[in-house]
Amino acid sequence: NAGVTQTPKFRILKIGQSMTLQCAQDMNHNYMYWYRQDPGMGLKLIYYSVGAGITDKGEVPNGYNVSRSTTEDFPLRLELAAPSQTSVYFCASSYSDRTNTEAFFGQGTRLTVV
Amino acid sequence: DAKTTQPTSMDCAEGRAANLPCNHSTISGNEYVYWYRQIHSQGPQYIIHGLKNNETNEMASLIITEDRKSSTLILPHATLRDTAVYYCIVRVAYGNKLVFGAGTILRVKS
Repeated sequence: NAGVTQTPKFRILKIGQSMTLQCAQDMNHNYMYWYRQDPGMGLKLIYYSVGAGITDKGEVPNGYNVSRSTTEDFPLRLELAAPSQTSVYFCASSYSDRTNTEAFFGQGTRLTVV
Repeated sequence: DAKTTQPTSMDCAEGRAANLPCNHSTISGNEYVYWYRQIHSQGPQYIIHGLKNNETNEMASLIITEDRKSSTLILPHATLRDTAVYYCIVRVAYGNKLVFGAGTILRVKS
């Protein structure tokens, strides 16, 4: 199993450009999450999904969009990149059932907007 | 989900036990206590979780007070590789959100 795979690992965007951060998991997890982490700060939840076709806003959703058409994939879309979106983005997944299992994280995408 | 409070930072000598406290005084009966850590800007890593009983695994022990208003994560023999940010999270069973606080920076020193 690959676990949670994020692509790309690094990206530089110009202000106003758009891009999609990819996240895929092969563990058949129903829950998936996107976080951002600014330098020296904690993780902030952007969006999450409890299953295919269902998404919901987290703490800092402005400037982002998500979709969940399959169980495996949860892409994060930046439509008009701004310098404030310079951050490290982490995707995570978990399979919540009665045993309340843990979340697994990808290695992150480091995004710089200039 | 209930809010948690952790010290900003702690130091620990290599080979000694590291005891990381967490306060969660507003925890509800159906909320679990989770611990994660983040090493050097990698993705966070799950450590342990519990409801009301003490828990132990190969990485750590979790001690939850009887009133469940606080807990302590214990790394029994800390190594330099345990230097990381440790996050205490309270979350309901079937919880759809996983929200991180500021965490505790643990520095293990030789």
